[in-house]
Amino acid sequence: AQSVTQLGSHVSVSEGALVLLRCNYSSSVPPYLFWYVQYPNQGLQLLLKYTSAATLVKGINGFEAEFKKSETSFHLTKPSAHMSDAAEYFCAVRGSGNTPLVFGKGTRLSVIA
Amino acid sequence: EAEVAQSPRYKITEKSQAVAFWCDPISGHATLYWYRQILGQGPELLVQFQDESVVDDSQLPKDRFSAERLKGVDSTLKIQPAELGDSAMYLCASSFGQGASGYTFGSGTRLTVV
Repeated sequence: AQSVTQLGSHVSVSEGALVLLRCNYSSSVPPYLFWYVQYPNQGLQLLLKYTSAATLVKGINGFEAEFKKSETSFHLTKPSAHMSDAAEYFCAVRGSGNTPLVFGKGTRLSVIA
Repeated sequence: EAEVAQSPRYKITEKSQAVAFWCDPISGHATLYWYRQILGQGPELLVQFQDESVVDDSQLPKDRFSAERLKGVDSTLKIQPAELGDSAMYLCASSFGQGASGYTFGSGTRLTVV
């Protein structure tokens, strides 16, 4: 069964600093990987997804993620944090076929002025 | 941009009462999902529909939860009776295809059981 592990339940960065949110996946076959963002009392919004077309994936709001098969990782980065980036971020994995998304426990990002 | 509609946004109910949530997916999305998200945790799948058929309800507590999607369009999730531990965000999502297709989530229903 596929699963993802997000390292760090809470990450705090200064405004303008690099954002790095870690995600490792477990899958017996090449998976589809996703990052979602959730603001308080809202649903989840897709940031980006890996579909094997390219290992470096660019998403919305300046975020990007790199798929590294050798490390089974799909870490999310942003060069310069903005106050509006403060939210909960979820990594998710999906197999082939009509299997559902499986989410990690999430990482709360705080941005300090 | 098309959205997944959910109602109500917030619901407070007393334990042992019945409660129901409604979801209208994006038009043309055959697959519909209900997830439960406990505060501070990731969403967990409750039930998955393909058109009007249940594909996966292995994590649905069937003694108190039920879900239906009668015409393969909108869906209702019911809890009867509600328990204190059911307090959570209930998220509905829909998708067009398989594999690489992501989901579109609704804004969710925040349930508080008192």
